Amino acid sequence: QSALTQPASVSGSPGQSITISCTGTSSDVGGYNYVSWYQQHPGKAPKLMIYDVSNRPSGVSNRFSGSQSGNTASLTISGLQAEDEADYYCSSYTNIITHWVFGGGTKLTVL
Amino acid sequence: EVQLVESGGGLIQPGGSLRLSCAASGFTVSSNYMSWVRQAPGKGLEWVSVIYSGYSGGSTYYADSVKGRFTISRDNSKNTLYLQMNSLRAEDTAVYYCARIQWLVASRPFDYWGQGTLVTVSS
Repeated sequence: QSALTQPASVSGSPGQSITISCTGTSSDVGGYNYVSWYQQHPGKAPKLMIYDVSNRPSGVSNRFSGSQSGNTASLTISGLQAEDEADYYCSSYTNIITHWVFGGGTKLTVL
Repeated sequence: EVQLVESGGGLIQPGGSLRLSCAASGFTVSSNYMSWVRQAPGKGLEWVSVIYSGYSGGSTYYADSVKGRFTISRDNSKNTLYLQMNSLRAEDTAVYYCARIQWLVASRPFDYWGQGTLVTVSS
């Protein structure tokens, strides 16, 4: 069982927006505001999409955005494109003992 | 250009040992925080271990699932990260990724990843 809870799957049509939730506790997501999001295509390494809850690394499309409320973080993808179909993982940095915890991953299907 | 290339994976019997390597280019391993993250077949990501930069004392930490069995280290002269895995179990079967950590960022994200190396523990 993963430390952070994500929906197993979400879907949307091209051009639509979807949101993936990531629920933790006050010991991780809610306590630190240190959430990151990763995109992983089949057979490929994960790619950093969002860090510090809502910041995008250079080169990541502005169609990807992040937010957080209490113990739940969210990733929103607007203007869905076929290339967005992938698995998405949230992660929270916690402390010097536990360090990082991940969500179980969400499979995004673009219909 | 930052690149991470893992090697050393393979089929190993339960109780055996294996050493994974991660050759880095485009940056200096010893000046960065580096980590190993694994992914069991069809499963999610799991953080395994971290080694702090030399500037921060080079401390090492492990997930409870591998503590006492795995050892993370680096060879500064080869700019390479290692993961020594002993007493391997079936549940250690996974693709192992090495990743650089952007420590200056509050959420400590993994900003660069290798392509991964598959470790299969089976008799």
